[in-house]
Amino acid sequence: GAVVSQHPSWVICKSGTSVKIECRSLDFQATTMFWYRQFPKQSLMLMATSNEGSKATYEQGVEKDKFLINHASLTLSTLTVTSAHPEDSSFYICSARQHEDRRNSPLHFGNGTRLTVT
Amino acid sequence: AQSVTQLDSQVPVFEEAPVELRCNYSSSVSVYLFWYVQYPNQGLQLLLKYLSGSTLVKGINGFEAEFNKSQTSFHLRKPSVHISDTAEYFCAVSEATGYSTLTFGKGTMLLVSP
Repeated sequence: GAVVSQHPSWVICKSGTSVKIECRSLDFQATTMFWYRQFPKQSLMLMATSNEGSKATYEQGVEKDKFLINHASLTLSTLTVTSAHPEDSSFYICSARQHEDRRNSPLHFGNGTRLTVT
Repeated sequence: AQSVTQLDSQVPVFEEAPVELRCNYSSSVSVYLFWYVQYPNQGLQLLLKYLSGSTLVKGINGFEAEFNKSQTSFHLRKPSVHISDTAEYFCAVSEATGYSTLTFGKGTMLLVSP
């Protein structure tokens, strides 16, 4: 089946540094990928929609200069948390739809990245 | 816009007992409905989905859900749970009219004990 791979699975960084998270579709191409953020014991909140070859679409309240998204190819999207702060500590999950031409094609999720900012 | 309500944040149950995880949604348009499971520190895995047709949907790991349009519900059930079913379960909805993303409920933690 379709697989979405996310790397790293966990990362610890110091406050003020930047962290890059990669999301890859391993056996299909995705012109659109989605980035979610999950706070402890809460649901997933859509942060942005990553579009291959164009700018990402951010949800209201998400700082685009802080969460940089680059969808460089049909199989790779990256999320860079710039100048990270402790409040950015969270679980970040990416997803993609295997069959983008089918409305009912379900989203496949990566295994997530646990970011801890000290 | 859609919204999803999962009233139970946590459901404790004994092994081999039946379980029902509740999900209600609201939407002004037709929707697709999904249940995902999340094991600790992992992403989400699709359990089952309702797109159209039969309102009783069977998924993986012995789970099933029933779409009830009049009650705007999509409750998840399993007749006999295992320890390994301990996880967080998310109900999600998307518009059936476009290539929309998912709106998730807050999740229900299923705790199965021996």
